[in-house]
Order: sequence, then C-alpha cells, then structure tokens
Amino acid sequence: GEDVEQSLFLSVREGDSSVINCTYTDSSSTYLYWYKQEPGAGLQLLTYIFSNMDMKQDQRLTVLLNKKDKHLSLRIADTQTGDSAIYFCAEGESYGGSQGNLIFGKGTKLSVKP
Amino acid sequence: DADVTQTPRNRITKTGKRIMLECSQTKGHDRMYWYRQDPGLGLRLIYYSFDVKDINKGEISDGYSVSRQAQAKFSLSLESAIPNQTALYFCATSETGKGSNQPQHFGDGTRLSIL
Repeated sequence: GEDVEQSLFLSVREGDSSVINCTYTDSSSTYLYWYKQEPGAGLQLLTYIFSNMDMKQDQRLTVLLNKKDKHLSLRIADTQTGDSAIYFCAEGESYGGSQGNLIFGKGTKLSVKP
Repeated sequence: DADVTQTPRNRITKTGKRIMLECSQTKGHDRMYWYRQDPGLGLRLIYYSFDVKDINKGEISDGYSVSRQAQAKFSLSLESAIPNQTALYFCATSETGKGSNQPQHFGDGTRLSIL
C-alpha cells in the first residue's frame, strides 16, 4: 500500500534555512501537501503542490517535487522560532474505495534554536 | 469561529466508560474523518465518511464506532474505553474531489486520557 516517509527530527539555528524531506510511494497522487502542527493545535494546511509542477514558492516557503524519485521537500528560508512545529507531508490515495483519502507521514519535529 | 469544531477539547475518564467525541463543521464538505495521533506514530485513520450515513473503516477502527446522521456532524464513540486509547483525536473534513484528492481541514483536537 501507499506509504509516506519523513525523518522525525530537525534542528536548525534561527536565520538559517530548514529543509524537510519526504518520500512517497503513489506516483498517481494528484496533489501533495505540507501541514504544520503547532503545540496544542490541529494540523494547518501550509502549502501544496500539483503533481505536474516541479517547484512552488510562497514567500519563505519553497516546495520541490522530484516525481522520478518520489521525493518532496519543504524549504523554509530565514527560519524563525515561530516556525518550531511538527511538519507533516501527505499524499492522496488514488485507487479503490478510499480514493481521495490522504496518507500522512509521521511528521518531522522542527526545533529552531535562537 | 472555527470551521471544524471538536468537543470536548479535553476529557479524562475511567476504563470501561462510554465516551463520545463530537465534530461539527460549517464548511459544507461532504467528507469527514476521525484520526488519532500518538507520539512517534503520526496520524492514523480510524473511520471516514464520504456522505451522510456512509461509514468506512480506517486503519485502526477496532474499539471505536462512528455516526454520521447529518452532513455537518460526525461523532466518534468509544463503547468501553481502555487505557491504550489515550491519545489526541482529530476530526477533519474535505470536499469531494473530481478525480483528485483534496486538502483536509482539521479541528483543534480532543485530548483524551483514560485512567
């Protein structure tokens, strides 16, 4: 079945760039997503990329998609302490009765040191 | 006001008790989901519903049941709670995609502790 893998932890210094990586298995997924979860809160949709795109930029966020390697990354430029959170990668199920459901990775906890 | 509202936000109860978690949405979405989140395990899908009275089991449905009597409401029940059901529970909604997946929108979660 489909699976989404991401590393569990990332630590960076304030002002540096953060890169969170994700690999997925379903090459038919139409959209791929990044969600952010701050402490005590639900998951907030951060950004997403359509599967026919290689890159999407939104202010400090850059999403890169390598379809050949099934690799998705989220780059946060000029990382701030407010960016400390858990970041989830997600792809969509493309087949069967659960088509349209999202498969989430286990989340990468980003810690930003001052 | 939140688009996806979960009640209660926190609940502590004892083993063997019946518990109901409520989710309501104002987004007009057809699809609703219940997940649980445990440290290091990410989100795991419990049940999902594509429409009123449509119920589908997710990855970890044992010990849980759901009800979808109206488009805006999706409730999760634990008939006889056990300590390993202690977790953070999330409700989510999404539109029905036309041949593609759609983003899900989450509530703020219910922290459930079973003693």
